[in-house]
Amino acid sequence: KAGVTQTPRYLIKTRGQQVTLSCSPISGHRSVSWYQQTPGQGLQFLFEYFSETQRNKGNFPGRFSGRQFSNSRSEMNVSTLELGDSALYLCASSWDRWGIFGQGTRLTVV
Amino acid sequence: QKEVEQDPGPLSVPEGAIVSLNCTYSNSAFQYFMWYRQYSRKGPELLMYTYSSGNKEDGRFTAQVDKSSKYISLFIRDSQPSDSATYLCAMSDDGQNFVFGPGTRLSVLP
Repeated sequence: KAGVTQTPRYLIKTRGQQVTLSCSPISGHRSVSWYQQTPGQGLQFLFEYFSETQRNKGNFPGRFSGRQFSNSRSEMNVSTLELGDSALYLCASSWDRWGIFGQGTRLTVV
Repeated sequence: QKEVEQDPGPLSVPEGAIVSLNCTYSNSAFQYFMWYRQYSRKGPELLMYTYSSGNKEDGRFTAQVDKSSKYISLFIRDSQPSDSATYLCAMSDDGQNFVFGPGTRLSVLP
């Protein structure tokens, strides 16, 4: 059974650029959650999508956005990148409550 | 005060030791509790989950929840070098939105 797939695994961007990250959930899972993980703040919830609708949202600025497609694949977008956006971005897919995480996308903003 | 507190470590123990990992929290509405293990450069993987108070055992791992003290623990018996990882606690009041602790880095020395 395929796990949660996140692409790309590593990304380097410059300040001011935008970036799009992709997450393919486990087949049959309709919920996809996104998290930002940094050494200082730990794992912080960004947003959750369920059946193409944003169901929950964390406390992040509007530069962070996401969407989910009809096949449950999800993308998150960060516009006007800042140095502080450098982090590991994780998505988790779930059928019920317990999320299964992907390996993450390591974003470095220079 | 953060909603979920966890000693960041690093915690170093000899192989075979019993390890105790702990989290405290402030929100008395939390009733879903989970422990994740995260190896370097990987996404977190779910180890154990419990609902409400009590103990749960799975092999060498035991999770304890004391809601009256707002304190949860994960015990690892007969620790192995392969247990070396960062351990994250997570909790939720509704089973949908989870708040993560910052993680404790564990090193089991052979």
